[in-house]
Amino acid sequence: GESVGLHLPTLSVQEGDNSIINCAYSNSASDYFIWYKQESGKGPQFIIDIRSNMDKRQGQRVTVLLNKTVKHLSLQIAATQPGDSAVYFCAALGATGNQFYFGTGTSLTVIP
Amino acid sequence: GAGVSQTPSNKVTEKGKYVELRCDPISGHTALYWYRQSLGQGPEFLIYFQGTGAADDSGLPNDRFFAVRPEGSVSTLKIQRTERGDSAVYLCASSSGGGDYEQYFGPGTRLTVT
Repeated sequence: GESVGLHLPTLSVQEGDNSIINCAYSNSASDYFIWYKQESGKGPQFIIDIRSNMDKRQGQRVTVLLNKTVKHLSLQIAATQPGDSAVYFCAALGATGNQFYFGTGTSLTVIP
Repeated sequence: GAGVSQTPSNKVTEKGKYVELRCDPISGHTALYWYRQSLGQGPEFLIYFQGTGAADDSGLPNDRFFAVRPEGSVSTLKIQRTERGDSAVYLCASSSGGGDYEQYFGPGTRLTVT
């Protein structure tokens, strides 16, 4: 079946530095991906999405890169702030178009 | 505006009991999803509704789990004969449907089976 995995379970960065969180997926047919942020005790919050016909998409302080050749995507957070501390998940839309497959998450800690 | 709400926020039940978890999606959202999240893991898909019908229930782990959405709005996830392994956070999400996949998640219900 489909699987999605993140490369590092934890990541610590200094406030103001850039953060990069990586994710790999298994299904080459996946054509839509979302990055979510989850704070303790809350549900996941949409950050940014990207379709497979794109390589890069930018939002406010965030950029998602998609490399379909190696089935890899990354989330870049510019000028990381303490409020960015959370668990980040990537999710890939499954073949049926009905369900998302989530990775295990990377816990980002921002050091003031 | 109001987001997705879930009740109760916490539920403790004894092994073998029946539980119901409720989800109120964002008004007007036709698509509704249930996920289960175990500690340290990402959400795991359970079931997807488009309107009143369960369009995809392939993620339900067994026949003890059942979900309904009778009027195309509020949904209830029902778990019979609960087991300790059912302990997890149950998340609900909704989206506007029609090819818009941006899902808005509720805060979840933490279920503990003792």
